[in-house]
Amino acid sequence: ETGVTQTPRHLVMGMTNKKSLKCEQHLGHNAMYWYKQSAKKPLELMFVYSLEERVENNSVPSRFSPECPNSSHLFLHLHTLQPEDSALYLCASSQEPGFLYEQYFGPGTRLTVT
Amino acid sequence: RKEVEQDPGPFNVPEGATVAFNCTYSNSASQSFFWYRQDCRKEPKLLMSVYSSGNEDGRFTAQLNRASQYISLLIRDSKLSDSATYLCVVNGGATNKLIFGTGTLLAVQP
Repeated sequence: ETGVTQTPRHLVMGMTNKKSLKCEQHLGHNAMYWYKQSAKKPLELMFVYSLEERVENNSVPSRFSPECPNSSHLFLHLHTLQPEDSALYLCASSQEPGFLYEQYFGPGTRLTVT
Repeated sequence: RKEVEQDPGPFNVPEGATVAFNCTYSNSASQSFFWYRQDCRKEPKLLMSVYSSGNEDGRFTAQLNRASQYISLLIRDSKLSDSATYLCVVNGGATNKLIFGTGTLLAVQP
């Protein structure tokens, strides 16, 4: 595997379900990110991790819970979501956190909340 | 005012045409500027960084105007494969965040 991978690619869940999104980067990067992309809206940064430590939480509701067990893996735990949370969730990584470094994106998980 | 603003398009152009996109940003402290490309139902990928002096990569030229706070992307000799959404990306001033525009959709017609 190369680059940034995400599973699952598609997810349909009810509002009472609990699910997790997984991201893995094979680039040796130290920073990982979760973004949300909704139709007609710009990408919204949700979380930033640097060497497994959360360095940014962009006012995201608590029904989204990130976890970074090591510098290669990032999870987004979902529970009691709302229909408006339906979106494409993109994981990204960069060599270091910060705006000087190119971000490499995974293919995304398309989430539908019913 | 939006932090990063782009014309959503779509820009419909014939093959071989030259097309230009503009993007404005609101934070005068921003220091890093990028153009990303996103194909339909795919992830964004870096197209090019934008430097103060302007830079060129093949058919693509990026310019930065700090005084007016806008960035441009020029595509010459458009190809069908250039059809995509082009995202203007700016760092959020003193923060480590990258701020993405909503993107400009380009459709190159045969």
